[in-house]
Amino acid sequence: EVQLVESGGGLVKPGGSLRLSCAASGFTFSSYSMNWVRQAPGKGLEWVSSISSSSSYIYYADSVKGRFTISRDNAKNSLYLQMNSLRAEDTAVYYCARAAAQNYFDYWGQGTLVTVSS
Amino acid sequence: DIQLTQSPSFLSASVGDRVTITCRASQGISSYLAWYQQKPGKAPKLLIYAASTLQSGVPSRFSGSGSGTEFTLTISSLQPEDFATYYCQQLNSYRWTFGQGTKVEIK
Repeated sequence: EVQLVESGGGLVKPGGSLRLSCAASGFTFSSYSMNWVRQAPGKGLEWVSSISSSSSYIYYADSVKGRFTISRDNAKNSLYLQMNSLRAEDTAVYYCARAAAQNYFDYWGQGTLVTVSS
Repeated sequence: DIQLTQSPSFLSASVGDRVTITCRASQGISSYLAWYQQKPGKAPKLLIYAASTLQSGVPSRFSGSGSGTEFTLTISSLQPEDFATYYCQQLNSYRWTFGQGTKVEIK
């Protein structure tokens, strides 16, 4: 059974940093591109970042470029999102999602809440 | 960036109704469109990809159509478990964008 479990969310002050993790199981993690998608409270979905299976290709939304860094450790079946210079508008539930063959997101984690507030 | 506009943003329907949601892209995206269902407090679930391909395990009452700039998600006979918010998603130049969502509520 495919499982994605996010962790690392919490309350952080504006300008602070946080590192999210996503532990994957039930599939060959090293064969899939992975993504972060966020959802602000009461709002819609926003794609944040994508990383290819071997980390060769990395993409970011304009809203986080230069502040967030996506990475992965295929030996540990884990995906990460380092978030720096956090702003109030980064407050959201952050989901990790697996990209299927045609780059659609076929499995999602349960999400981890990040709250940026003083 | 390509924008996706869903209509309606909200709809009220009864069990057994046929429901259609539209997603319009600001420029042509061929068939690079997916549909997701999200229930409160839960992660989104992939329903349809490549505009019309049903994801494994998704009931056949869900169907998708369209290409270019106009797409539709149809639920042929609404069931109680289908009351949720639906999002379209596109991929272009390795930037994914979502529509604003359509909330389907019980009439």
